[in-house]
Amino acid sequence: TQLLEQSPQFLSIQEGENLTVYCNSSSVFSSLQWYRQEPGEGPVLLVTVVTGGEVKKLKRLTFQFGDARKDSSLHITAAQPGDTGLYLCAVRASSGGSNYKLTFGKGTLLTVNP
Amino acid sequence: DAGVIQSPRHEVTEMGQEVTLRCKPISGHNSLFWYRQTMMRGLELLIYFNNNVPIDDSGMPEDRFSAKMPNASFSTLKIQPSEPRDSAVYFCASSLRGINSPLHFGNGTRLTVT
Repeated sequence: TQLLEQSPQFLSIQEGENLTVYCNSSSVFSSLQWYRQEPGEGPVLLVTVVTGGEVKKLKRLTFQFGDARKDSSLHITAAQPGDTGLYLCAVRASSGGSNYKLTFGKGTLLTVNP
Repeated sequence: DAGVIQSPRHEVTEMGQEVTLRCKPISGHNSLFWYRQTMMRGLELLIYFNNNVPIDDSGMPEDRFSAKMPNASFSTLKIQPSEPRDSAVYFCASSLRGINSPLHFGNGTRLTVT
């Protein structure tokens, strides 16, 4: 059973369209991170959300953390080909004591066609 | 800032051979992570270190896998003997210790075992 379920798994849209991708869990988290991964590269952090109901904006990207801190969404306005990539959500889970490990969802592979 | 450096970028080897992957974390980062990425399973945490000490190796698939961090600036992941099912992209990442600290990933090593 996956700790984090991301949907949709694949999304192909035209330039200029809007889209939303989701990250869901049955567990409560103190924070959640979104990463973007481009082909041939490692994931790069986009944002960290901490407070239930929090909304953060990064240019055309809007991130929301659910009120119950179990889920999150990423909305992209007027998508551009440069937004193409694998979008991953990730949460910290305790490894005991003050140690935490970052666990990722499987991601949403977004393709924006010109 | 050089970022996390991994070598080699690509490795092709025959089943049964030993494979060693290398990682140089960002200077000053005290946590280091090894992940494996496949289409089927996504990004899986194999092992992570804090201050050069292995904290959680529960993700290491079996005894054929081993990881070391002899000092703060170098880590290796070894597979011996390698098998075709080990084919994947292996990522190293480093971070400052802290629940919301972002992970900085290298560009990965694409391993193919024939």
